[in-house]
Amino acid sequence: DTAVSQTPKYLVTQMGNDKSIKCEQNLGHDTMYWYKQDSKKFLKIMFSYNNKELIINETVPNRFSPKSPDKAHLNLHINSLELGDSAVYFCASGPRQVGELFFGEGSRLTVL
Amino acid sequence: GENVEQHPSTLSVQEGDSAVIKCTYSDSASNYFPWYKQELGKRPQLIIDIRSNVGEKKDQRIAVTLNKTAKHFSLHITETQPEDSAVYFCAAAGSSNTGKLIFGQGTTLQVKP
Repeated sequence: DTAVSQTPKYLVTQMGNDKSIKCEQNLGHDTMYWYKQDSKKFLKIMFSYNNKELIINETVPNRFSPKSPDKAHLNLHINSLELGDSAVYFCASGPRQVGELFFGEGSRLTVL
Repeated sequence: GENVEQHPSTLSVQEGDSAVIKCTYSDSASNYFPWYKQELGKRPQLIIDIRSNVGEKKDQRIAVTLNKTAKHFSLHITETQPEDSAVYFCAAAGSSNTGKLIFGQGTTLQVKP
């Protein structure tokens, strides 16, 4: 009974390709996030949606486009993949105000 | 901009010893300070958090202290066990009240049996 689930868990692809990662939460939270964890383990926020509305958009290349069809789902589409996009992408959900974030298992993206 | 500095980056202790990880934050309006543990290949999970109206919080072998004046907070783990080995992240909630967490760089804790 997974709280935050994301697919796929692994992606291996060539430079220039486009890929998507999907995330779903069954915790009833209003807010969902995408975090990127690089090879040095640094966790950096990319986007946040509250009830389908984009509320945080950090300095992320336009090649990254999040979409939230409803408050339980947040997807991430990446165009024209580059080597530097290789990382683990974590989806998370949490309450509207500050509180515990629940992370998905992560999606490890490798760009060759 | 918002920033959280975490030290040390690596920490090695003997089983049974204590471990202390320290963080400083830049945004004086931050009001929520969680600590996450990430085991190898797993997701980060909350282990303890503290809000700005409290100076200290304890949960069994882990405790967190907060000094709002100095803008720093610390994680203390007592009687460390090998299963405490993991990467620990501190974080601070930004002042925008959006739920956004700014994470520290992480500390890799190794507990030697």
